[in-house]
Amino acid sequence: DAEITQSPRHKITETGRQVTLACHQTWNHNNMFWYRQDLGHGLRLIHYSYGVQDTNKGEVSDGYSVSRSNTEDLPLTLESAASSQTSVYFCASSDPSTGTEAFFGQGTRLTVV
Amino acid sequence: AQSVTQLDSQVPVFEEAPVELRCNYSSSVSVYLFWYVQYPNQGLQLLLKYLSGSTLVKGINGFEAEFNKSQTSFHLRKPSVHISDTAEYFCAVSHMEYGNKLVFGAGTILRVKS
Repeated sequence: DAEITQSPRHKITETGRQVTLACHQTWNHNNMFWYRQDLGHGLRLIHYSYGVQDTNKGEVSDGYSVSRSNTEDLPLTLESAASSQTSVYFCASSDPSTGTEAFFGQGTRLTVV
Repeated sequence: AQSVTQLDSQVPVFEEAPVELRCNYSSSVSVYLFWYVQYPNQGLQLLLKYLSGSTLVKGINGFEAEFNKSQTSFHLRKPSVHISDTAEYFCAVSHMEYGNKLVFGAGTILRVKS
């Protein structure tokens, strides 16, 4: 079965360190998204991609970057981790031909100390 | 721009009682509407979606939602809840004109009590 996998599931890092969260999907979807989930805010869009070599900023992109070198992967990098980036991060993918349902990974809980 | 308001942050309800989780949206174009459920320590799972057609949409686990264009609402309902329905529920909107990006509400925690 196709799936979307995030790793690691849990990460503790120190302020100022660079951190990369992995997202791998086997749906062969062109659309991929990164969201962060915080209490009272729901999920907010960080970055997204519509295909290889395409990346776009979302609502809360400051301090984050992504790259898309193939269809399956969209890693999210925190350039210099800050305590405000402590959150749960979700990756999602969708098929642009239908543009409707998005499939989500299990999430990565990141703590910046 | 699109936005979503979920009117209740928490909804406590007794087992076997009916429940309604409220969602209002704003958009300058016609939208697609979704309800997702998140069980503890898990990702989001699609409950149901409205793309077009019948305004009453049926989803998994006995949930349904009604699209009301005049009131810009998409409320989620279940006639009889179970303990296992305890979870957080998110309403979301998207549209191809906005690049299929999902815009989420803040979420509603449904607590089912025995």
